[in-house]
Amino acid sequence: AQTVTQSQPEMSVQEAETVTLSCTYDTSESNYYLFWYKQPPSRQMILVIRQEAYKQQNATENRFSVNFQKAAKSFSLKISDSQLGDTAMYFCAFMKLTQGGSEKLVFGKGTKLTVNP
Amino acid sequence: GAVVSQHPSWVICKSGTSVKIECRSLDFQATTMFWYRQFPKQSLMLMATSNEGSKATYEQGVEKDKFLINHASLTLSTLTVTSAHPEDSSFYICSARRDNYEQYFGPGTRLTVT
Repeated sequence: AQTVTQSQPEMSVQEAETVTLSCTYDTSESNYYLFWYKQPPSRQMILVIRQEAYKQQNATENRFSVNFQKAAKSFSLKISDSQLGDTAMYFCAFMKLTQGGSEKLVFGKGTKLTVNP
Repeated sequence: GAVVSQHPSWVICKSGTSVKIECRSLDFQATTMFWYRQFPKQSLMLMATSNEGSKATYEQGVEKDKFLINHASLTLSTLTVTSAHPEDSSFYICSARRDNYEQYFGPGTRLTVT
């Protein structure tokens, strides 16, 4: 079974600074996706960024980028120019690709990020 | 976009009663929907996978007879918590899978059983 580990329960960062959230995973699969989701106080899950395992290039989405190290099974999220609205729980998630379309997401325990003014 | 709604957003029920939560994909068809449970300050735990027109697949440890899932159409899945007890109080989140692998999440339903 796949597992996802987020070793930082809580983090804080000053507004406009950069912060990196860690995530490691364990799998024997070669074909999979990785995700970072944001859950603000409203509790609506929002997709921040995704990475296909077969792609060597790290995904980026505006201020959000990942450092995907497949051999090390590491998938960290970097948030640049942090904004107050980035304050949220961040979940790292793994999805094994299967035929049939019932792929499951396996979530880490989350990192609570607080951006301070 | 891909919008998923849940109804109700918050429900309070008495112990022993049943409550139904709806999950709808508003602008796309979803052959597969997922139901998650989230306790305070914890992560999402998958309860079951719901496929349109067939029986749901439950995760280990989830009681099938307690958490009834029906995926009657390509845009609607329902979760019924039967004979609810206070320990069933939680935040329930659904997601819907579009034609690719990506899941789109609903806003969640807070269930409080008194």
